[in-house]
Amino acid sequence: GDSVTQMEGPVTLSEEAFLTINCTYTATGYPSLFWYVQYPGEGLQLLLKATKADDKGSNKGFEATYRKETTSFHLEKGSVQVSDSAVYFCALSEGGSWGKLQFGAGTQVVVTP
Amino acid sequence: DTAVSQTPKYLVTQMGNDKSIKCEQNLGHDTMYWYKQDSKKFLKIMFSYNNKELIINETVPNRFSPKSPDKAHLNLHINSLELGDSAVYFCASSRASLDSPLHFGNGTRLTVT
Repeated sequence: GDSVTQMEGPVTLSEEAFLTINCTYTATGYPSLFWYVQYPGEGLQLLLKATKADDKGSNKGFEATYRKETTSFHLEKGSVQVSDSAVYFCALSEGGSWGKLQFGAGTQVVVTP
Repeated sequence: DTAVSQTPKYLVTQMGNDKSIKCEQNLGHDTMYWYKQDSKKFLKIMFSYNNKELIINETVPNRFSPKSPDKAHLNLHINSLELGDSAVYFCASSRASLDSPLHFGNGTRLTVT
């Protein structure tokens, strides 16, 4: 079945460093891809999404490009802040079943001052 | 004006008890979900309802019974609680389309002792 693999954390960075979180997927069809963020004690929030190949999702300085050839959707941010400390989840939506998101295992990001 | 609200936020109970978690959304969405997040942050869908009808029912013990009295509410009742049920349970809602993002509540942390 469909699955999502993302890099293990925790990822610890200094403020203003460059962040990359790798995400690859396997899917039989053409899924939509998402990044969600979970701040401590809160539910998940949509960070960005891409619905077809070569789409780039972006929000709050984060970007991710839907790469069909490498089945990847890596998340990047050029200069992180302490407030970006959170758990980041890559997810895909399975064809024919809306809302049934397949999540990756989550990557904890810790940004230090 | 919380979009997806679930209660209680924390629930501590003993094995064998029966408990319920309530969820309400004011976004006008047709579809609601229950997700379970384990201690390693792994998220897995449990149930999904669309317009009060069950559309996703993953392999979940039948001690778990969702109930949707109307499309703005989806409650989760758990019978005969077990230690392994300890987790954070998230309610979410969305429009009924493949690339519609999920809006999550802040979670209910269930601890079974």
